[in-house]
Amino acid sequence: DQQVKQNSPSLSVQEGRISILNCDYTNSMFDYFLWYKKYPAEGPTFLISISSIKDKNEDGRFTVFLNKSAKHLSLHIVPSQPGDSAVYFCAASEEDSWGKLQFGAGTQVVVTP
Amino acid sequence: EPEVTQTPSHQVTQMGQEVILRCVPISNHLYFYWYRQILGQKVEFLVSFYNNEISEKSEIFDDQFSVERPDGSNFTLKIRSTKLEDSAMYFCASSVRDRPNYGYTFGSGTRLTVV
Repeated sequence: DQQVKQNSPSLSVQEGRISILNCDYTNSMFDYFLWYKKYPAEGPTFLISISSIKDKNEDGRFTVFLNKSAKHLSLHIVPSQPGDSAVYFCAASEEDSWGKLQFGAGTQVVVTP
Repeated sequence: EPEVTQTPSHQVTQMGQEVILRCVPISNHLYFYWYRQILGQKVEFLVSFYNNEISEKSEIFDDQFSVERPDGSNFTLKIRSTKLEDSAMYFCASSVRDRPNYGYTFGSGTRLTVV
C-alpha cells in the first residue's frame, strides 16, 4: 500500500544551502499533507502542513509546495543548518479521517559543514 | 513545551504474554492516537480515540489490541497475546483538535521486543 512515496532515501546538503525533499502520492482523496522530522530515539516532530486547496505554505525556514495535478509535494529548507540532520517524513490524510496519517518511508537528510 | 510522555521506553516480553504500553498525552488535548513502526518499515496508523471511544482503527488493530483512557490522564494500548511480529516502536500521539493544521504531537515511543 504505497499511497505516499518518498523515493529518495537520503540527501546530503551543505550547511547554508537549500534542502529539497520530495514526496509523491497516489490517493486523490488526500486532503491534508504534513511534514515531520525525526531524530533517533525520538518521536516524529511536526514541521509544517498544507491543505489541498493551497499550493504553498511557509513557516520560517520551511516552505511546502503542493502540485495537485502532479500529486507531488516538496519541502524546502532554507538555509540548511546542522541541526536539520534528521529523517523527514511526508504524511497525508483524507478529509473526515484526518488523524489517520499515511506516512512515506522517509528521507535521511545530512547537513555537512 | 508540553510533551507526550510514553512509558516504558523499552519493553521485552515473551511471545503470548500481554503487554500494556502507557502514554500521558498533553493535558488539554482531546484526540489520541497510536502508531507503530516496524524496523525498516513505514510508520503505520493503528487507532484514533476521542470522547472515550475508538474513532477509527486500521486493519492491523485486530481483537488482540485494545485502548483505554482509564483515569482521564493516561492513554494505554494493550496487546493481549503478543506475537513476534508485534515487535516494533509504538508511538502515542495527541492533538487538541482532529485537524492536521494543528499537527499531531508524538511521544518518543516504546520499543517493544517480543522474544
